[in-house]
Amino acid sequence: NAGVTQTPKFQVLKTGQSMTLQCAQDMNHNSMYWYRQDPGMGLRLIYYSASEGTTDKGEVPNGYNVSRLNKREFSLRLESAAPSQTSVYFCASEQGAYYGYTFGSGTRLTVV
Amino acid sequence: AQRVTQPEKLLSVFKGAPVELKCNYSYSGSPELFWYVQYSRQRLQLLLRHISRESIKGFTADLNKGETSFHLKKPFAQEEDSAMYYCALSPLGGNGGSQGNLIFGKGTKLSVKP
Repeated sequence: NAGVTQTPKFQVLKTGQSMTLQCAQDMNHNSMYWYRQDPGMGLRLIYYSASEGTTDKGEVPNGYNVSRLNKREFSLRLESAAPSQTSVYFCASEQGAYYGYTFGSGTRLTVV
Repeated sequence: AQRVTQPEKLLSVFKGAPVELKCNYSYSGSPELFWYVQYSRQRLQLLLRHISRESIKGFTADLNKGETSFHLKKPFAQEEDSAMYYCALSPLGGNGGSQGNLIFGKGTKLSVKP
């Protein structure tokens, strides 16, 4: 049982480049989330998807887009990367309100 | 407003000393509360949740509704406990259903010295 799988683990982009971060879960969870983690800022929600076919903005959505491709997969796209998007990105999925989230191992992104 | 506050950014203790990581929340309803742990450069892992009233790796947490707190405690800290700890709140409705996303505190870095 792999849980939540994120790819890639590391990425360096030049300013203005685009990329997609992939996330897949094999636990049949309905809800999935994308967070960014920055020193001193904790975890900030970028986008989430309560169920297949729906997506909603979180606290810091600017500069990002998401796609809930199916129940398993939830991708995060940076259309034109900026240095301010240098961060560690975590994907998570949720079984239900009482169970908490299961997190992926993260993507460490550097934009130069 | 829904909020989770972890007042200490850094907590440093010696091995064998008791440790308490503070968490206060602001929510008008009855929340479900969690503690997550993140070891260096690893993913966040669920440490414990209030509803299960369990003790994981010697850690416990008690919900105090009067003080709106969910402090994490361990009587004797170990070096391997050094990590980042996040408190999180799941807002629940009157029927126990979810009323939104998990709300995280900014985290406390625990350093256990030998």
